Amino acid sequence: DAGVIQSPRHEVTEMGQEVTLRCKPISGHNSLFWYRQTMMRGLELLIYFNNNVPIDDSGMPEDRFSAKMPNASFSTLKIQPSEPRDSAVYFCASTTTGVGTDTQYFGPGTRLTVL
Amino acid sequence: AQSVSQHNHHVILSEAASLELGCNYSYGGTVNLFWYVQYPGQHLQLLLKYFSGDPLVKGIKGFEAEFIKSKFSFNLRKPSVQWSDTAEYFCAVRRGGSYIPTFGRGTSLIVHP
Repeated sequence: DAGVIQSPRHEVTEMGQEVTLRCKPISGHNSLFWYRQTMMRGLELLIYFNNNVPIDDSGMPEDRFSAKMPNASFSTLKIQPSEPRDSAVYFCASTTTGVGTDTQYFGPGTRLTVL
Repeated sequence: AQSVSQHNHHVILSEAASLELGCNYSYGGTVNLFWYVQYPGQHLQLLLKYFSGDPLVKGIKGFEAEFIKSKFSFNLRKPSVQWSDTAEYFCAVRRGGSYIPTFGRGTSLIVHP
């Protein structure tokens, strides 16, 4: 299994530009999480999908952030317009829900730098 | 709201020293507990987890953790660290019945050869 796949691995953009981060969860996993990691705030949950439906988006910082999961094998996190304070590493994680099968598997992350 | 506290933000040890990283949480009900490790430049990987049963959990690479319910703690231990254990360590707690874990701020461990 290839694990959770994220792209791009690195993104450098200018303030005001649109940024789209992509995630392919592990096949068969029905839950997907987007996290943001910064030195100041640590690891923060942004949004959680279950069976492609957003269940909890209370961690999404503001309207500039949006996430979609059009099917079980693909999710996007979009920032429009981007700001320097959005610079962080964004992780996607997937899991299967159920007793004993709830380990989250993290992707390699996308390091975003907004200039 | 549930919170997870990792009291040691930075730990520096020499090889062969013993390690104990603290993790405390605030939720009083049933919990699932996790320790993840993030090696430099890499993603988070599961070290060990506790759902039920024996409160002393053994994980990969010689790590273990003990769940002490009365103290709301899940401390991570290793009797003898190696240089390759240099990494960031995250404790995570999930309420029973919830699918969303809460992560601690992490502890940075540096092991000198």
